[in-house]
Amino acid sequence: AQSVTQLDSQVPVFEEAPVELRCNYSSSVSVYLFWYVQYPNQGLQLLLKYLSGSTLVESINGFEAEFNKSQTSFHLRKPSVHISDTAEYFCAVIRANNAGNMLTFGGGTRLMVKP
Amino acid sequence: NAGVTQTPKFRVLKTGQSMTLLCAQDMNHEYMYWYRQDPGMGLRLIHYSVGEGTTAKGEVPDGYNVSRLKKQNFLLGLESAAPSQTSVYFCASSPTGTSTEAFFGQGTRLTVV
Repeated sequence: AQSVTQLDSQVPVFEEAPVELRCNYSSSVSVYLFWYVQYPNQGLQLLLKYLSGSTLVESINGFEAEFNKSQTSFHLRKPSVHISDTAEYFCAVIRANNAGNMLTFGGGTRLMVKP
Repeated sequence: NAGVTQTPKFRVLKTGQSMTLLCAQDMNHEYMYWYRQDPGMGLRLIHYSVGEGTTAKGEVPDGYNVSRLKKQNFLLGLESAAPSQTSVYFCASSPTGTSTEAFFGQGTRLTVV
């Protein structure tokens, strides 16, 4: 079985400051890694994913995440946040070769961007 | 293009009542899922389906049943609601293959009193 740990339940940050949301996972097999974002009163949307290849992946709105196999981490970063980035962020994994593509989620990190 | 639609969006039940949550997707996805979201616990998988007519248990299946009679619909049933089932429920669907992106509905907020 795999598990996902998001070390911070809440991260307050001022607008235009950098931010890092931490995610660690444990699994005995290879996994695919994801970050989903949930804006208030909405469902989850895919932010970015790592399947294979380059360990640094980027989203269209300035977020990036780096897969670190030795540390089993997939931290999410943004160099300068905006008010509109206020949301809850979920790290998730899918076990490779998993018939059904079931996601295992971390507990979530609430990013609160202050003016 | 509707994507994944959940019905209803809100519901209050009394303990012991039953209800069915409906999920419909128009993307012709094979896989469908029901998750519950509780504070600090992320989303936990209740049941899932890998195709029409098939269902399987997830991490927290007790107290719930599901059916997938049509490819586009995935129903979640609560036979006898309990306060512990107060939660936000999300349906999702995904295609097969390594694209592996799941598409989520807007959620159903259920309160059991």
